[in-house]
Amino acid sequence: KAGVTQTPRYLIKTRGQQVTLSCSPISGHRSVSWYQQTPGQGLQFLFEYFSETQRNKGNFPGRFSGRQFSNSRSEMNVSTLELGDSALYLCASSSASRNEKLFFGSGTQLSVL
Amino acid sequence: GENVEQHPSTLSVQEGDSAVIKCTYSDSASNYFPWYKQELGKGPQLIIDIRSNVGEKKDQRIAVTLNKTAKHFSLHITETQPEDSAVYFCAASTGYFNDMRFGAGTRLTVKP
Repeated sequence: KAGVTQTPRYLIKTRGQQVTLSCSPISGHRSVSWYQQTPGQGLQFLFEYFSETQRNKGNFPGRFSGRQFSNSRSEMNVSTLELGDSALYLCASSSASRNEKLFFGSGTQLSVL
Repeated sequence: GENVEQHPSTLSVQEGDSAVIKCTYSDSASNYFPWYKQELGKGPQLIIDIRSNVGEKKDQRIAVTLNKTAKHFSLHITETQPEDSAVYFCAASTGYFNDMRFGAGTRLTVKP
């Protein structure tokens, strides 16, 4: 069974640009959540989607948004990039209707210059 | 909201020794406590988890204990091996939607 796939693996952007990250969950998993990981703040929850609906959102500005498609694949978008958005963005999928046993992808390393 | 504290931040042990990482949580409604291992360049990988109705769980060299009264849980790794070297994260969740909160992580180094 294939794991969680995130693309691209690395991204370099400049301030003010926008970026879209993609996540394909494990087959059959309907919940997809996104996390931001930085050395200073650790793993911080961004948002979670289940059956194309955003069920919960963390404390991030509106520049961070996401969506989920009918095949459970998810995308995350960050607009008007800031230097502080440089981080590893992780996607996790779960088969449960409530979050448990999260399976993470390898992440997208975003660098904002 | 939930707050998870993890100690120590770094841990160095000799191969074959045991390693213990401790976490405390604040929300008494938390009922699910997973542990993740993150190797360089990879995402966190679930290694063991425990629910609030269980006090201890073992899986080969790895065990987790939970003390609900004191609101703390621990990861125990016995007979450590160099490949156990990684960053370990604890987490706590009430299971509602996605409120999982992670500890800051422990960098474990196993010296051969």
